[in-house]
Amino acid sequence: GQQLNQSPQSMFIQEGEDVSMNCTSSSIFNTWLWYKQEPGEGPVLLIALYKAGELTSNGRLTAQFGITRKDSFLNISASIPSDVGIYFCAGQLEGTALIFGKGTTLSVSS
Amino acid sequence: NAGVTQTPKFQVLKTGQSMTLQCAQDMNHEYMSWYRQDPGMGLRLIHYSVGAGITDQGEVPNGYNVSRSTTEDFPLRLLSAAPSQTSVYFCASGRDQPQHFGDGTRLSIL
Repeated sequence: GQQLNQSPQSMFIQEGEDVSMNCTSSSIFNTWLWYKQEPGEGPVLLIALYKAGELTSNGRLTAQFGITRKDSFLNISASIPSDVGIYFCAGQLEGTALIFGKGTTLSVSS
Repeated sequence: NAGVTQTPKFQVLKTGQSMTLQCAQDMNHEYMSWYRQDPGMGLRLIHYSVGAGITDQGEVPNGYNVSRSTTEDFPLRLLSAAPSQTSVYFCASGRDQPQHFGDGTRLSIL
């Protein structure tokens, strides 16, 4: 079946640093989504991408839909303590269910 | 605007017991889905629905049943609980993807 590889598994950074994480797939997708989950809560949708090559920003967050349609990247600029959480990518091929990566746990020290 | 509401928030069951996890959304979304989240496994799709009267299986459907009699509600039933079903369960809704998640039901099977 389809699998998503999300990396890195965890990150420990200093406040103010930029962050990059990515997801790769063995299959092509039509949609890539990025979510953030904080302790005790459900995931929150951050960015949705629908076209290969698409680059979309949401504040300090920027995500890209890879040209090959098999990968996506999320960048966070100038990290702050409230960026702490687990970030999930998810991919979907039209007509099939959304598949989630296993998450990147981000820790930010001030 | 309540969004996605899940009840109960916590539940402890004995092996073999049955129960229903409730999920309701007030955004008139056609798409609803159930995920389970286990440590190191990310979010795995159990069942999903693209509209009232339509349901389909996800990645890990065994041991769970769903129905969708109304647009608003999408209950998840455990017919005979097993320890392997100890997990955190999330319900999500959206226009055609899981855009909004509930806060989860933490279920322990003894």
